[in-house]
Amino acid sequence: EAGVVQSPRYKIIEKKQPVAFWCNPISGHNTLYWYRQNLGQGPELLIRYENEEAVDDSQLPKDRFSAERLKGVDSTLKIQPAELGDSAVYLCASSLVRGSFIETQYFGPGTRLLVL
Amino acid sequence: DQQVKQNSPSLSVQEGRISILNCDYTNSMFDYFLWYKKYPAEGPTFLISISSIKDKNEDGRFTVFLNKSAKHLSLHIVPSQPGDSAVYFCAASGGNAGNMLTFGGGTRLMVKP
Repeated sequence: EAGVVQSPRYKIIEKKQPVAFWCNPISGHNTLYWYRQNLGQGPELLIRYENEEAVDDSQLPKDRFSAERLKGVDSTLKIQPAELGDSAVYLCASSLVRGSFIETQYFGPGTRLLVL
Repeated sequence: DQQVKQNSPSLSVQEGRISILNCDYTNSMFDYFLWYKKYPAEGPTFLISISSIKDKNEDGRFTVFLNKSAKHLSLHIVPSQPGDSAVYFCAASGGNAGNMLTFGGGTRLMVKP
């Protein structure tokens, strides 16, 4: 079974430039998560989708970050414009949520972003 | 306000010995706890989990212990192997957070041959 796929794996941009990350979750998983992991810290949730609906985006900096999950499968996370402090690893995860039964979240390899 | 804390940023053990990684949490509503392992340039990989209705869960060389009264969990790896060298994150979910995971800061385990 294919895991969570993310691209690109690495991205270097100059500040004020836009950047986008793409995620393809595990087939059949209805819930998709975007996390940001700063150096030396654990992942922090940015946004969670159940199918096409963003059900938790309270930690997403909405002035510069946006996300979408068209058709409830693939998702993109965009930053525009990027700032130096956005340098981090952006992780995508997916899981199957059925009623109150929640399966484990499975993570992709992440996109390492460096803003110069 | 860190709800999940891993107070040891690193741990070094000899191959064959026991590795004990610790995690503390403050939110009494958390009812499901997980450990993830992360190698460099890879995403976190699920290792083992425990529900709050249990105090121990075992899977091969890995055992997780949960002490709800102390709001503390630990991961035991016996025997430790060099391939276990990685960063280990504990995570918690439940209560108002639903299935949102709150991660600790991670502990880097180094197993020396």
